[in-house]
Amino acid sequence: AQSVAQPEDQVNVAEGNPLTVKCTYSVSGNPYLFWYVQYPNRGLQFLLKYITGDNLVKGSYGFEAEFNKSQTSFHLKKPSALVSDSALYFCAVRDPEAAGNKLTFGGGTRVLVKP
Amino acid sequence: EPEVTQTPSHQVTQMGQEVILRCVPISNHLYFYWYRQILGQKVEFLVSFYNNEISEKSEIFDDQFSVERPDGSNFTLKIRSTKLEDSAMYFCAGSLLSGRGTETQYFGPGTRLLVL
Repeated sequence: AQSVAQPEDQVNVAEGNPLTVKCTYSVSGNPYLFWYVQYPNRGLQFLLKYITGDNLVKGSYGFEAEFNKSQTSFHLKKPSALVSDSALYFCAVRDPEAAGNKLTFGGGTRVLVKP
Repeated sequence: EPEVTQTPSHQVTQMGQEVILRCVPISNHLYFYWYRQILGQKVEFLVSFYNNEISEKSEIFDDQFSVERPDGSNFTLKIRSTKLEDSAMYFCAGSLLSGRGTETQYFGPGTRLLVL
């Protein structure tokens, strides 16, 4: 079975400081990993994904994430946070060895960037 | 940039009533999904749909739920007899066809369903 954990319910960071949102996963094979962001009253917006290749993945709005197989992690990072990055962030995993294409989501991490 | 749209944005219904949630996926997508998020809980997979058939469904997706794509554009989720515990945000998603499952799923804004 595939699962995702986001250990922090909320992350607070000052504008201009680095932002990290943590994610760990559990799958039977090599994972496909995704990050989505949800702004108030909006749907889930895709940020980036890791399928294979370079462990450092760059995505939208200056975000990046690093796949670490030994630590089964896929932490989301941004070098310099903006107030507009305040939102709910979801990590998701798909096990390519499992039938179907369903995504399994973590519980979400609320990011608050203070001016 | 094309987007997934969902209607209605909010729906309030009485327990036992039928509801139909509608989604218009991105036009070149071929694989469709419904997920839901109960307030304060994780986003959960309900069902995936491809080539007019259910590809996969979760334990949540029991006989009270059904999906269809009647006209090649709208993708609907029907709940035949709503229960209080069906209150949630329902998200539609779509993706390009990928036999390897690597394609990104693009989500709509959601329909907030409240069952009284």
